[in-house]
Amino acid sequence: GQQLNQSPQSMFIQEGEDVSMNCTSSSIFNTWLWYKQDPGEGPVLLIALYKAGELTSNGRLTAQFGITRKDSFLNISASIPSDVGIYFCAARYSGAGSYQLTFGKGTKLSVIP
Amino acid sequence: DTAVSQTPKYLVTQMGNDKSIKCEQNLGHDTMYWYKQDSKKFLKIMFSYNNKELIINETVPNRFSPKSPDKAHLNLHINSLELGDSAVYFCASSQVSSPNSPLHFGNGTRLTVT
Repeated sequence: GQQLNQSPQSMFIQEGEDVSMNCTSSSIFNTWLWYKQDPGEGPVLLIALYKAGELTSNGRLTAQFGITRKDSFLNISASIPSDVGIYFCAARYSGAGSYQLTFGKGTKLSVIP
Repeated sequence: DTAVSQTPKYLVTQMGNDKSIKCEQNLGHDTMYWYKQDSKKFLKIMFSYNNKELIINETVPNRFSPKSPDKAHLNLHINSLELGDSAVYFCASSQVSSPNSPLHFGNGTRLTVT
């Protein structure tokens, strides 16, 4: 089946530092999504990408849909303590009859004040 | 005005019991899902369901069954619970007829089987 390789698995950074994480796959997708999960909560959508090469920002977050359609990255600038959580990439190929998301295994982010 | 709500938030039960988790979405979405998140935080789809079809992940034991009384609800029934069923279960919904519709998740039900 389709798999997403998300890295790194975990990160410890100082407050104020920039963060970068990415997802790669051997499969082609036409939608990439980035979610954040806080402890005890469900994943919440951060950024959605629908076109190859698309670069989208949401506040301090920036994500890009790789031009090959096989990868995506998420950057967080000037991290703050509330950025702590698990970040998931997810991708979908919306062909006929196919609308299920495939998820990466998550990047656990810890921010040291 | 929670978009996807599931109950209970915590469920502790003994092996062999039968239990249900309820899920409701008020987004008007046409498709609902159940995901299982294990101790390593990996999200694994169990079911997706709309009025037309139920898609089951073949790795899900048949002790698990989704029940949908209407478009806004997809409940999860689990029979003969086992220790390995302990996990966090997430309900989600999306509008499949809108190709760009992302998933919206509930806040999860932490199931502990003793």
